[in-house]
Amino acid sequence: ETGVTQSPTHLIKTRGQQVTLRCSSQSGHNTVSWYQQALGQGPQFIFQYYREEENGRGNFPPRFSGLQFPNYSSELNVNALELDDSALYLCASSGEDRNNYGYTFGSGTRLTVV
Amino acid sequence: SQQGEEDPQALSIQEGENATMNCSYKTSINNLQWYRQNSGRGLVHLILIRSNEREKHSGRLRVTLDTSKKSSSLLITASRAADTASYFCATPGATNKLIFGTGTLLAVQP
Repeated sequence: ETGVTQSPTHLIKTRGQQVTLRCSSQSGHNTVSWYQQALGQGPQFIFQYYREEENGRGNFPPRFSGLQFPNYSSELNVNALELDDSALYLCASSGEDRNNYGYTFGSGTRLTVV
Repeated sequence: SQQGEEDPQALSIQEGENATMNCSYKTSINNLQWYRQNSGRGLVHLILIRSNEREKHSGRLRVTLDTSKKSSSLLITASRAADTASYFCATPGATNKLIFGTGTLLAVQP
């Protein structure tokens, strides 16, 4: 059973709008990463936060931004939505032992841009 | 860009049979991880194998790693209908981000 909670589970937005997705990390995990998964593809890394600071970013434009809060929960914000932003957005948390135990993923938010 | 490639892209077997899927990657790694994803839901961590390990077991799962060939395999023994899912390999890149392969879609027929 996952300790990472994402909300909402599904979302429909109109092109040009802005969206905020939320993630509650597993207790004790200080690192959160966000991934975008298009249909039929593997997840693509968007960015990672460690102790409230961005700690790595993938090949995504600046309209993808994030925050991590002191309780290690996190937000992904996407501005000026485009049709290609339609995807499953996954949040993953990890602790200092990620090289031994990997990451814990949430169930994802399915975003549809129309 | 994807780091790894899984092979085959899709696999269909009968319940009780074994399923083997392979993963190739491009750069040096310190570990390789396998994840399962049920029908567009979140990923579930299955097993992590370190670069100094050659084989690892977890229940019905057996993972091998060949760093000289930059490849790994995941074997699921005595498969069940509930094993139907997509399986991804992933390796840590810079800043510990995970780089995923393209996945193998496994269908286990009852």
